[in-house]
Amino acid sequence: GQQVMQIPQYQHVQEGEDFTTYCNSSTTLSNIQWYKQRPGGHPVFLIQLVKSGEVKKQKRLTFQFGEAKKNSSLHITATQTTDVGTYFCAGLKDKIIFGKGTRLHILP
Amino acid sequence: DAGVTQSPTHLIKTRGQQVTLRCSPISGHKSVSWYQQVLGQGPQFIFQYYEKEERGRGNFPDRFSARQFPNYSSELNVNALLLGDSALYLCASSYWTEVGSYEQYFGPGTRLTVT
Repeated sequence: GQQVMQIPQYQHVQEGEDFTTYCNSSTTLSNIQWYKQRPGGHPVFLIQLVKSGEVKKQKRLTFQFGEAKKNSSLHITATQTTDVGTYFCAGLKDKIIFGKGTRLHILP
Repeated sequence: DAGVTQSPTHLIKTRGQQVTLRCSPISGHKSVSWYQQVLGQGPQFIFQYYEKEERGRGNFPDRFSARQFPNYSSELNVNALLLGDSALYLCASSYWTEVGSYEQYFGPGTRLTVT
């Protein structure tokens, strides 16, 4: 069946370092969404990617959708303590499937 | 405008009991989806309703059911509760019909504990 894998599961970075999380689908996706969930909170929508090879930026965040529409990445430049949380990708094919998320810890 | 609201916030039930969780979407949103999130995992899709009709169903047993009312609010019912049903139940509303094709706004969730 359709699967969405996300790596790494955890990432510890020093404040100011960069961070990247990767999302891979077993099947070609219609689109992919990214969400952020703070500890104790609920998922908050960040962005949606639809087109093959699409790249979108939000300030220090860069999102990419692969050419084959089977993988995606989220890159954060110069992390800050406010970036702490778990980042989920969610791929849509026949139904929406979330990855298990990457938990980002920032070391001051 | 108010965001997505869910009630109750927390709930403790015993195995075999039944539970009803409630969700009110953002004003103007006609699509409501339900997710189960177990600690340390991503949300798992349970149901989507649009204009009071079921538009999508995830891989959950028939013990799980839902409905949407004319005012677009929704209820999720779980019968014959199992210990494994303990989780955070999230409701998400969206303007569009196809879940995942448009941004979703999540509510704060209902934390269900089954003992």
